[in-house]
Amino acid sequence: QSALTQPASVSGSPGQSITISCTGTSSDVGGYNSVSWYQQHPGKAPKLITYGVSDRPPGVSNRFSGSKSGNTASLSISGLQAEDEADYYCSSYASNRIYVFGTGTKVTVL
Amino acid sequence: QVQLQQWGAGLLKASETLSLTCAVYGASFSDYYCWVRQPPGRGVEWIGEISHSGSTIYNPSLKSRVTISVDTSKNQFSLKLSSVTAADTAVYYCARGSDYTWNFWGQGSLVTVSS
Repeated sequence: QSALTQPASVSGSPGQSITISCTGTSSDVGGYNSVSWYQQHPGKAPKLITYGVSDRPPGVSNRFSGSKSGNTASLSISGLQAEDEADYYCSSYASNRIYVFGTGTKVTVL
Repeated sequence: QVQLQQWGAGLLKASETLSLTCAVYGASFSDYYCWVRQPPGRGVEWIGEISHSGSTIYNPSLKSRVTISVDTSKNQFSLKLSSVTAADTAVYYCARGSDYTWNFWGQGSLVTVSS
């Protein structure tokens, strides 16, 4: 099972909106509504920010929103803030009952 | 509040067995538990999961070397990875999840394998 494909980096200015893509196959992203997104600050554990494609856990800002179309999932961050600067990983349940993670995207706030 | 605390040996020699344990606090020992790893400066790899009842699923790329077990009496689960090499050097995380996602994570353990 190959890693899901994400852009290496995305940047934006404070207040702007950005979108991170996550491309898989019909055996993972396209086949299940089980895509999650995680935020990871340096030296910290990943933090769940969306699951089930577009649901948010309690306490996560509504500036983060997830979506999916075909084999590609996306994470949008609106009103970009300095604290959003981090690495972001997507993950999907896959057909052989395993989980596959994305290659990771570094978000830079200019 | 659910918390996961993990521990284990941080420095191994090639061919030894990696052993990590993760304790779950603040919640009943239900749902699913997994281990993932992250080599320095690289992405995240899912290693495998175990249910509270002991059913396991492993990443096919590591299946021959991985064992995940659970001790419900202690609210703990463990990872063993045999015959380690330098390629197994990584930060290892334990996590708890449900609904096909992992919502609570341990603090991470850096495991370094020397040749």
